[in-house]
Amino acid sequence: GAVVSQHPSRVICKSGTSVKIECRSLDFQATTMFWYRQFPKQSLMLMATSNEGSKATYEQGVEKDKFLINHASLTLSTLTVTSAHPEDSSFYICSANPGETYEQYFGPGTRLTVT
Amino acid sequence: DAKTTQPNSMESNEEEPVHLPCNHSTISGTDYIHWYRQLPSQGPEYVIHGLTSNVNNRMASLAIAEDRKSSTLILHRATLRDAAVYYCILRDVQNAGNMLTFGGGTRLMVKP
Repeated sequence: GAVVSQHPSRVICKSGTSVKIECRSLDFQATTMFWYRQFPKQSLMLMATSNEGSKATYEQGVEKDKFLINHASLTLSTLTVTSAHPEDSSFYICSANPGETYEQYFGPGTRLTVT
Repeated sequence: DAKTTQPNSMESNEEEPVHLPCNHSTISGTDYIHWYRQLPSQGPEYVIHGLTSNVNNRMASLAIAEDRKSSTLILHRATLRDAAVYYCILRDVQNAGNMLTFGGGTRLMVKP
């Protein structure tokens, strides 16, 4: 089946620094990718829809200047958490659909810890 | 968005069938019923989906009520590897495209 990868799988950074997370579709092209955040023992919350070649669409309550999304190619979307704070510590997951299939493929997630 | 309601948790014995219920009384005619599951510390994975008819695949079966206001995911023989959070999601293809909105899900615990 289709594969979505994320890098890094886990990262620890100091408060105030920025962290970039990559999401790649390895064997298909994706004009749209989705970014989710998941806090411990909670469900996934959609943060934004990443659109190739255009601006991302952010969900209500998600600061677009803090969570920068770049979808520069059909196989890569990046999420940059700027000026990270401890409350940004979370599990960040991306997903994508290969073409017209019904299945959405999720990356393995990136665990961010801000100290 | 049409919402789904699932029990917070369920327990099952290994090698026994498991029936995971989902209520979606406000489902619209264009909503597909999707099931995903998330193993610990991993991203979700697709399990099955359907519109009106019951569906079977290698992972599970999906039984959809005639009025579509509820559905049941059936794991025919639970294994320890099936311990996960199972999410029942309505996908409105017409209005929301590929977007998925996750609810609380059901945490399935499988006892050996």
